[in-house]
Order: sequence, then structure tokens, then C-alpha cells
Amino acid sequence: DAGVIQSPRHEVTEMGQEVTLRCKPISGHNSLFWYRQTMMRGLELLIYFNNNVPIDDSGMPEDRFSAKMPNASFSTLKIQPSEPRDSAVYFCASSFRTGVYEQYFGPGTRLTVT
Amino acid sequence: EDQVTQSPEALRLQEGESSSLNCSYTVSGLRGLFWYRQDPGKGPEFLFTLYSAGEEKEKERLKATLTKKESFLHITAPKPEDSATYLCAVAGGGADGLTFGKGTHLIIQP
Repeated sequence: DAGVIQSPRHEVTEMGQEVTLRCKPISGHNSLFWYRQTMMRGLELLIYFNNNVPIDDSGMPEDRFSAKMPNASFSTLKIQPSEPRDSAVYFCASSFRTGVYEQYFGPGTRLTVT
Repeated sequence: EDQVTQSPEALRLQEGESSSLNCSYTVSGLRGLFWYRQDPGKGPEFLFTLYSAGEEKEKERLKATLTKKESFLHITAPKPEDSATYLCAVAGGGADGLTFGKGTHLIIQP
């Protein structure tokens, strides 16, 4: 299997611009997670979906962040407008079933907002 | 709020020198504890899941153990290719998302 696929791998944008990060989970997996990693705060959960339905978005920093999962094979994380403090590596992970099971991470998108 | 503390932050060992990494956690109703390995520029790679105190799991030179308050990742006779950041994470309460520690940066010198 191809593993979790994320695009783009690197994104550089200016403050105020809209940014869209994309994720394709492993085929057949029913849960999808978005995390953010920074040196200061480590890996933090932003939001997760079970069977395409958002379950917990309490980690989303503010209203500038939104996530969707229109079908089982695609999810987006959008930041509008972007700010320099949003600079981080954003990871998508998927798990083969709902509940507490191992999550498989993608390679991440490194976002730099200038 | 779930909390995970890993120690030490960094560890440098000689090849073949065994050691242990610590993960202390505070969680309401532990549902699972996870160990991941992360190489520079890559996503975390799953290693182990532990579900209850007393449980142990092994993979090659790595062995993970779990008590009611902490977990250890034992590394036996490490090799340079074991150099990486090792992350510990917990799932608690009713949520499936993971709370991660800051990690232990492990360097194995030849």
C-alpha cells in the first residue's frame, strides 16, 4: 500500500493568504487525524474524523482553521487568513478503524508563512 | 487534561550501550499508550501499542513496558541506525486522538 499521502510537501506563503493542505489516507482506513508539530509545542492534535464525520475539533487553534473530509479518501485542512505563527509541520494520520488503534502518519507538509 | 512527559530530552550512547527512555503520563482513563520513532524530515513511524499495566512488547532491539504511571522503552545493544527521536503518546477519556510527549532525541555513536 502507498501509505498516507500529503500534498504539498512544502508550502511558503505570505501572511494573509489562504493555504490548503491535502491528505489521502490509507485505503480502507476509517479514521483520519490532523496534527501540527512545532519545536516549542511538539505534536498537537488539531481535529479527527471517524467515517468522514468530524468528531473532535477542540484542538483547532481558532476560526481561521477549518477541515473537511468529503469522502473516505480525501481530506483538507484550510487556513484563512494565514499568519506567521501558523508556520509548522502539519501531519495527517489514518487508522484502520475507529477507537484507539495505531495511527499511520504521512510525510507531513512544512508550512512557512512570511 | 492529558499530559505526557518524556525523559531525558536527549541521550547519546555508544554502539552496544543499552539504556532506557522514560515516558510519564497523567490521563483520565488510559485507553492506550503508543511509542513512535521519528527520523528527521519524516512522519512518526509506529512502534508499539500498550493497553494495560504489566504489558510488554518487543521488536528487534526495542522493548516497551507499561505501569500505571509510566512506560519505558528499553534499547538493548543499540546500533547507529537506531538514532532517531522517540515519541510517546497516550489516548485517554473518550477521545481517539493522541496526546504526545516532546520526545527523546537518541544518538548512537559508532
